[in-house]
Amino acid sequence: RKEVEQDPGPFNVPEGATVAFNCTYSNSASQSFFWYRQDCRKEPKLLMSVYSSGNEDGRFTAQLNRASQYISLLIRDSKLSDSATYLCVVSHGGGADGLTFGKGTHLIIQP
Amino acid sequence: SQTIHQWPATLVQPVGSPLSLECTVEGTSNPNLYWYRQAAGRGLQLLFYSVGIGQISSEVPQNLSASRPQDRQFILSSKKLLLSDSGFYLCAWSVSGRNTIYFGEGSWLTVV
Repeated sequence: RKEVEQDPGPFNVPEGATVAFNCTYSNSASQSFFWYRQDCRKEPKLLMSVYSSGNEDGRFTAQLNRASQYISLLIRDSKLSDSATYLCVVSHGGGADGLTFGKGTHLIIQP
Repeated sequence: SQTIHQWPATLVQPVGSPLSLECTVEGTSNPNLYWYRQAAGRGLQLLFYSVGIGQISSEVPQNLSASRPQDRQFILSSKKLLLSDSGFYLCAWSVSGRNTIYFGEGSWLTVV
């Protein structure tokens, strides 16, 4: 079983819609979780950390389900500029050398 | 604020040629530094990380090497490139002991 799994997509979503995607992780001892956004041929950029109680940043909501070992990202009122690949990142503890990256979910917002 | 830069942004190199990618971080001291590779259709793979000058840990055996000659400088090198070395190389930094990581702009390497 892969350590961090994401549906590669693409998710084709009309502008203004709500979209959500999940990421599952295999290591139950994982401690920290993040979502990164990566535009085509660009570097990944931190979108948000994922906290145990769930957290929201504007139109973006992240949730953690430790029992089922997955995290989710929900985007409300999607914009054309939200089109990107979203990477799930899981930390097994320690420093950033303990990070595992998912391969990403490709999101396309259509006008 | 902290910034990270790496160069060159794009390069095309023949098989067997050497490689040098450079990365510098500004606005912070004693950062942890990382080199990642992102090959087509694959996730980010950690190649090297460094917690201090001259301290390099290798995650994957390969024909690449890394050096950290100064606190905020990280260099990725190869003496002889292979076709399989093609990919998107990303330098990154984090605060020592923290696991939030920030990436440079990346370097696209095509080995022909």
